[in-house]
Formats: sequence, C-alpha cells, structure tokens
Amino acid sequence: AQSVAQPEDQVNVAEGNPLTVKCTYSVSGNPYLFWYVQYPNRGLQFLLKYITGDNLVKGSYGFEAEFNKSQTSFHLKKPSALVSDSALYFCAVRDGSNDMRFGAGTRLTVKP
Amino acid sequence: EAQVTQNPRYLITVTGKKLTVTCSQNMNHEYMSWYRQDPGLGLRQIYYSMNVEVTDKGDVPEGYKVSRKEKRNFPLILESPSPNQTSLYFCASSPSRTAGTQYFGPGTRLLVL
Repeated sequence: AQSVAQPEDQVNVAEGNPLTVKCTYSVSGNPYLFWYVQYPNRGLQFLLKYITGDNLVKGSYGFEAEFNKSQTSFHLKKPSALVSDSALYFCAVRDGSNDMRFGAGTRLTVKP
Repeated sequence: EAQVTQNPRYLITVTGKKLTVTCSQNMNHEYMSWYRQDPGLGLRQIYYSMNVEVTDKGDVPEGYKVSRKEKRNFPLILESPSPNQTSLYFCASSPSRTAGTQYFGPGTRLLVL
C-alpha cells in the first residue's frame, strides 16, 4: 500500500533563509509525487509534481522539489523564504493505479 | 473562472439531523472526490467518482453517502451525523483518476453537536 510521511509537524525559518519541508514515501510501483499548499481558510493549491524525468522539479511561487529514488524522498525547497510562504504544506503520492495519499501536513512559519 | 465550489462553507448541526454538502465543478472533469481533513491526519479520502453514476469508497466512507447524477455535481450526504464527523471537508476534481493534479474547493467546516 502506498503511504507518505512528513516527519515535521512544524518548520520555522527566518525570512530570506532557505527552507526545506521534508517528505518520504512508500509505493509499490513508480511514484507520482505532489506538493500542495493550504493557506488559511482556503482549499489546497497545487504547487508541483514529479511524474518522470528530471529529478529536480520546479513549481509555483519559486518552490522546487527534488526526487530521490534511493532515499524515497521528495523534499520541498525554496532558496529564500518569504513571510507570505507561511502556510500548511502537504505532500501526496500515487503509484499510478491508486488514488492519492496525503501526508499529515507540515506547518511552515516564516518570521520577518 | 475554473473552479470547484462547495456549500455551505460553515455548518453547525446536531447529532442525527441529515445534511448535504454540495460540490460543483465547471471544468468538465470526470473524476471527483471528497476528503476530510483532521489535525495530525492530513487528508483522508471519503468517496470518489470516476464518472457519472460511478462512485466508490475511499479510506473512510462510514457514515457518508454520495451521488453523481450529473458530471459537474458531487454532493456529500450525512444521513445521521455524529460528533466524530466534525471536520473540515474538501471536494476535489481532476480530468481523470490518473491525471494527477487535483483542483480543490474552498472547504466546508462542519461541527456536529
């Protein structure tokens, strides 16, 4: 069965510093990996996805994620955090034939 | 504007009183899904639909019903709500089950007393 883990409930970074939100996954086949962001009182918004190809995926708002097959990870990164990046971030995985599984979420707080 | 809408956005009800949360999408998507979001648990799928008149259970279907009579609408029905159904609910749609990217509605916050 497919699953995804976000080991950190909370990540705090200072504005201007790089940020990383971690995600590891488990699937039986080739993974389809996603990151979504949820701002207060809003639905989830798609950030980026990895299906195949280049291991470094670029997405919206300057975010990127690196697919690492050997470590079964798909960490979300941004070189320079903004206060407006503060939100709840969800990693999700699908193995092609099953529905999407979401992680528990990581709350990112960027302090001025 | 392409969007998924849900109504109501907020709802307070009492145990046992039937309620329906509506979901509608204007993108002609075949696949629609309902999730509930609870702290520390992320999003868990309740039901999904791959097309009109085709629905199936997700991970946590107990206490919920759905229907898909039209492509654009996918209502979630709680026949006899209980306090453990207090949650934040999201409807989502995508072109197909395997399309990957899902488009989410704004959410419905439900409190069952």
